[in-house]
Amino acid sequence: RKEVEQDPGPFNVPEGATVAFNCTYSNSASQSFFWYRQDCRKEPKLLMSVYSSGNEDGRFTAQLNRASQYISLLIRDSKLSDSATYLCVVNNQAGTALIFGKGTTLSVSS
Amino acid sequence: SQTIHQWPATLVQPVGSPLSLECTVEGTSNPNLYWYRQAAGRGLQLLFYSVGIGQISSEVPQNLSASRPQDRQFILSSKKLLLSDSGFYLCAWSKTVSGNTIYFGEGSWLTVV
Repeated sequence: RKEVEQDPGPFNVPEGATVAFNCTYSNSASQSFFWYRQDCRKEPKLLMSVYSSGNEDGRFTAQLNRASQYISLLIRDSKLSDSATYLCVVNNQAGTALIFGKGTTLSVSS
Repeated sequence: SQTIHQWPATLVQPVGSPLSLECTVEGTSNPNLYWYRQAAGRGLQLLFYSVGIGQISSEVPQNLSASRPQDRQFILSSKKLLLSDSGFYLCAWSKTVSGNTIYFGEGSWLTVV
């Protein structure tokens, strides 16, 4: 099983739609979870951390299920500017670095 | 505030030539430093990380090496590039405590021809 797995997509949605991305991770001892966003040919940037109780930042909601080793990201009221690749991120076994999933591509159209 | 710079932004190198990518962080001390690579159509791969001067951990065996001559300086090198070394190289830093958010530099696009 890969350390971090994501559905690559692409997800093609109209403006205003709600879209959800899922991610699974293999290291049951992981303690740190994040979603990063990467625009084409740019560096990844932090979108939000993921907390055990779930957390929300505007239109974005992140959930963590430790029992199933599963992370999700929900985007409500999609904007054209949300088009990007979303990377699921988990800390490595040693806790010294972050491991990135391959990303899920989102394309929002008008 | 903290900033991270890496250079060069783009380079085209022939097979067998050497490589040196440099990264510096400003506004923080004793950061964790990282080199990642993103090959075409693939995810981010952790190459090296460093928790202090002269301390380098390699995640993937390859013909690349890393060095940390100063607290906030991280260098990625190769003596002889391979075609498979082409990709997007990203330097990143985080605070010392493990599991913290990491912040990336703008990346270096390497094409080996």
